[in-house]
Amino acid sequence: NAGVMQNPRHLVRRRGQEARLRCSPMKGHSHVYWYRQLPEEGLKFMVYLQKENIIDESGMPKERFSAEFPKEGPSILRIQQVVRGDSAAYFCASSPRQDHNSPLHFGNGTRLTVT
Amino acid sequence: LAKTTQPISMDSYEGQEVNITCSHNNIATNDYITWYQQFPSQGPRFIIQGYKTKVTNEVASLFIPADRKTSTLSLPRVSLSDTAVYYCLVGDLNDYKLSFGAGTTVTVRA
Repeated sequence: NAGVMQNPRHLVRRRGQEARLRCSPMKGHSHVYWYRQLPEEGLKFMVYLQKENIIDESGMPKERFSAEFPKEGPSILRIQQVVRGDSAAYFCASSPRQDHNSPLHFGNGTRLTVT
Repeated sequence: LAKTTQPISMDSYEGQEVNITCSHNNIATNDYITWYQQFPSQGPRFIIQGYKTKVTNEVASLFIPADRKTSTLSLPRVSLSDTAVYYCLVGDLNDYKLSFGAGTTVTVRA
């Protein structure tokens, strides 16, 4: 049973380019969460999605960042016009439902470097 | 979210027991306590979760006193591979906005 798959593992972008990060949740999981981990800091919540719905994007910057979880295919976190401050590790997690009996299953992240 | 406080780092030796205490003075009635482990270049991994008293699984034990204002993660007989960052999180059933703090960096030496 494959875990949460994130790709690419490493992504290098120049300032102003777009970054697309993909996340395939565990089989049977319909809840997806994205987190960002800045260097030397803990993970911070960005956005929570279910299939075709953004449930909560309160942790995501209002500009340049967007997320989707289509009916088919992986969840995508998109960062437009990247800046150096976007350099971080981006983690995706999934769960079969949203309650305390469903601990989050995390992928191994995408490390974005903006040059 | 209940704010949590845990030590920044802890050092230990192989075979010892490691106890990490997390403080959460304003924990709410519906909050659960969850611990995650994170290795370098990997995502966090769920270790254990509890509400009160003691919970034990194949990896660790979690001790929660009656007032629930603290909790202690106990790692028995650690090995070098237990070197990681350990995060304590507190939240209720509907709380998905998990924000991990700096965690506790546990370093196990030979």
